Amino acid sequence: KAGVTQTPRYLIKTRGQQVTLSCSPISGHRSVSWYQQTPGQGLQFLFEYFSETQRNKGNFPGRFSGRQFSNSRSEMNVSTLELGDSALYLCASSLAEAGGPVTYNEQFFGPGTRLTVL
Amino acid sequence: AQSVTQLGSHVSVSEGALVLLRCNYSSSVPPYLFWYVQYPNQGLQLLLKYTTGATLVKGINGFEAEFKKSETSFHLTKPSAHMSDAAEYFCAVTMGGFKTIFGAGTRLFVKA
Repeated sequence: KAGVTQTPRYLIKTRGQQVTLSCSPISGHRSVSWYQQTPGQGLQFLFEYFSETQRNKGNFPGRFSGRQFSNSRSEMNVSTLELGDSALYLCASSLAEAGGPVTYNEQFFGPGTRLTVL
Repeated sequence: AQSVTQLGSHVSVSEGALVLLRCNYSSSVPPYLFWYVQYPNQGLQLLLKYTTGATLVKGINGFEAEFKKSETSFHLTKPSAHMSDAAEYFCAVTMGGFKTIFGAGTRLFVKA
């Protein structure tokens, strides 16, 4: 079974531009989460999608947005880029289900997209 | 509020020595606990997890962790460090819902 894939792997942008990152989850996984990883802040949760619905959101400004498609692929968008947005953006997929008993949320991570803002 | 604390941002051990990485969490409900490892320029890989049942959990690469509810801890250990264990390790917790909180990470250095 193929793992989580993220494209592109590396990206260089300038301040004020916008960027879209893509994530393809493991086949059959309907939950996709996004994280920002920086040396100073560590791993910070951005948002989580399940069946095209955002279920959880972290404490990031509205410039950070995401969406999920019917095939569970997800994109995140960052508008009006700032220098501080330079980071490794990680996507993770899981079999978390909607409703019913809470399940442990084992996540499978992609290799990440390294975004550099100049 | 949910939180995860990893004691020590850097840990250095000699090859063959015991590895002990500490993790404490705060939770008002029974947690699900995880340890992940991240090698340079890679995503995170699950080492082991605790959901319910036996409190001593064995994972990949010879790692294990013990859930101690009274101490709210989930420390990661390995009896004998190998050079290939050098990486960053993250403790994480899910307390209901579908949001996972990660600790700040501990970078493990292994000296020859």
